[in-house]
Amino acid sequence: DTGVSQDPRHKITKRGQNVTFRCDPISEHNRLYWYRQTLGQGPEFLTYFQNEAQLEKSRLLSDRFSAERPKGSFSTLEIQRTEQGDSAMYLCASSTPKGYPSYNEQFFGPGTRLTVL
Amino acid sequence: AQSVAQPEDQVNVAEGNPLTVKCTYSVSGNPYLFWYVQYPNRGLQFLLKYITGDNLVKGSYGFEAEFNKSQTSFHLKKPSALVSDSALYFCAVRDQGYQKVTFGTGTKLQVIP
Repeated sequence: DTGVSQDPRHKITKRGQNVTFRCDPISEHNRLYWYRQTLGQGPEFLTYFQNEAQLEKSRLLSDRFSAERPKGSFSTLEIQRTEQGDSAMYLCASSTPKGYPSYNEQFFGPGTRLTVL
Repeated sequence: AQSVAQPEDQVNVAEGNPLTVKCTYSVSGNPYLFWYVQYPNRGLQFLLKYITGDNLVKGSYGFEAEFNKSQTSFHLKKPSALVSDSALYFCAVRDQGYQKVTFGTGTKLQVIP
């Protein structure tokens, strides 16, 4: 299966620590998205990459959050000085370039569940 | 700002009956509309989308949705529900000019045998 993969699947950390998550999109997908989902809510958009360029960023993405996609393939999301309110499921999704039949459809990974103690 | 409202936290329907899951949206520009489904312990899966053209769109697993511009709605429908359709359904919208997708809070569909 060559779907979107995320690593780790679960992360438990203490408040104040830094954490980094990785997302590997489907290989031909040049668009990559990060979302955060808390219990009882839908995914909340965090940021969007087209190739290596970060083109959209939510105001939810505070100074403690940073995302990169250095070579236009995998992406990382780092949270510095974690807070208990950061506990959530972090989802990554990817989609095809324009011109593909599935353009505008997002393919989601399984997510990374973060627990901040 | 864009938003999505799913007014029902849960919808219960008997197997074999038609189902409707409601969604209304708000967006400044032209809307792109989506439905995604989340099965327990599985990731979000795309069901269907409205981009342009025919207001009635058909998707996976026999689902369809109707785009109604005047009512700013995009309700999900299926003529005959299956127990296996039981899952969490999310409606989503994005403005044509941007990539940010806004999701609703989800509706839990319970199909009763």
